[in-house]
Order: sequence, then structure tokens, then C-alpha cells
Amino acid sequence: ELKVEQNPLFLSMQEGKNYTIYCNYSTTSDRLYWYRQDPGKSLESLFVLLSNGAVKQEGRLMASLDTKARLSTLHITAAVHDLSATYFCAASYDKVIFGPGTSLSVIP
Amino acid sequence: NAGVTQTPKFRVLKTGQSMTLLCAQDMNHEYMYWYRQDPGMGLRLIHYSVGEGTTAKGEVPDGYNVSRLKKQNFLLGLESAAPSQTSVYFCASSSNRGLAENTGELFFGEGSRLTVL
Repeated sequence: ELKVEQNPLFLSMQEGKNYTIYCNYSTTSDRLYWYRQDPGKSLESLFVLLSNGAVKQEGRLMASLDTKARLSTLHITAAVHDLSATYFCAASYDKVIFGPGTSLSVIP
Repeated sequence: NAGVTQTPKFRVLKTGQSMTLLCAQDMNHEYMYWYRQDPGMGLRLIHYSVGEGTTAKGEVPDGYNVSRLKKQNFLLGLESAAPSQTSVYFCASSSNRGLAENTGELFFGEGSRLTVL
């Protein structure tokens, strides 16, 4: 059964710093997704990673996928306050299963 | 372009009442999903569908039923609501993830907040 874990679950970081969120999944997955959710809002797609070694970047966010290690990372570069949100990863096989989320707070 | 539309957006029920949440998508997507989101629990998959006339169980299907009579609609039913079903419900749709050329990106509705007293 596919299970998805994230760490950390909570992250408080200073503006300008770099950090990485980790996403582990338990069995074979054909895709790895990253989503952002602001409080009280719906989920916004950030990245879809389709193959081993895939790397995608958008602004200060970069996602990568290692299918052999069943690990994806979301790297944040020079954080700014606007990045404060909850970030979810999800893996898929027959079902799309989400991790518990990482609540990110960027402080001045 | 509406995308994924959920109705109603808010609903209060009494224990034992029934209701149906409607999800409609206008992107001609094959796959549709219902999730519930509770504080600290992330999103948990209730049921999903890989095409018109098909449904399958997710992680937490008990107490819910679904139907996909038309490709664009996915209905989530609660036959006898319980306080444990108080949650925010999200519907999503995606292209056919069985095709390697599709990203299978999930597009989400705005959510439906359900309170069961």
C-alpha cells in the first residue's frame, strides 16, 4: 500500500535562508506531485515529476526526484515571506496519495 | 473557464441526515477524485474514478458512496452523516494517468466545508 511521508512537518525559516523539504514514499510510483496550499484556500500545483532524475525549477523553488531512493525534495532558495504556506507532496500508482504536509513560515 | 466546481461550498447537517456533494469539471478529464482534509492529517483519498461509470475505494471510503454517471460529474454521498465526517472536502480531476505522455496533474475545486452536529 502506497504511503507518503514528509519532513519536517513544521518549518520556520528566516528570510534569505535556504532549506529543503523531504518527501518519501513507500512503493513504486509513476508520478510525484508538489502542491502549495494557503490557509483557507484550495491546492495549487507546483510541479509534476515523471521520471528518475527529473528536476524542475520555478522561481525560488526547485523539485527533484530519485525513484530508486523513493525520495523527492523541494528546495527553497533565499526564502521570502510570500513562500509561507503548506506544501504537500503526493505520489501515485493506481491512487494519488498525499503526504501530511509541511507548514512553512518565513519570518523576517 | 470554470475548471473544477464544487457545490455546495458550505453545509451544516445534523447527525443522521443525508446529503450529496457535486463536483463538475469542464476539462474533459478521465480521472476524478474526492479527498477530505482535516487539521494535521493532510488530504485523504475517499473514492476516485478512472472514467465514466467507474468508481474505486480510496484510503477512507467508509460512510461515503460515489457515482460517476456522466464524465464531467462526480458525486459524493453521505447516507447517514456522523460528526466524524465534519471536514473540508476537495474534489479534483486529472487527465488519464495511465498514458505516459500525460502529466496527470490534479486540478482542485475550491472545497466544500461540511459540519455535522
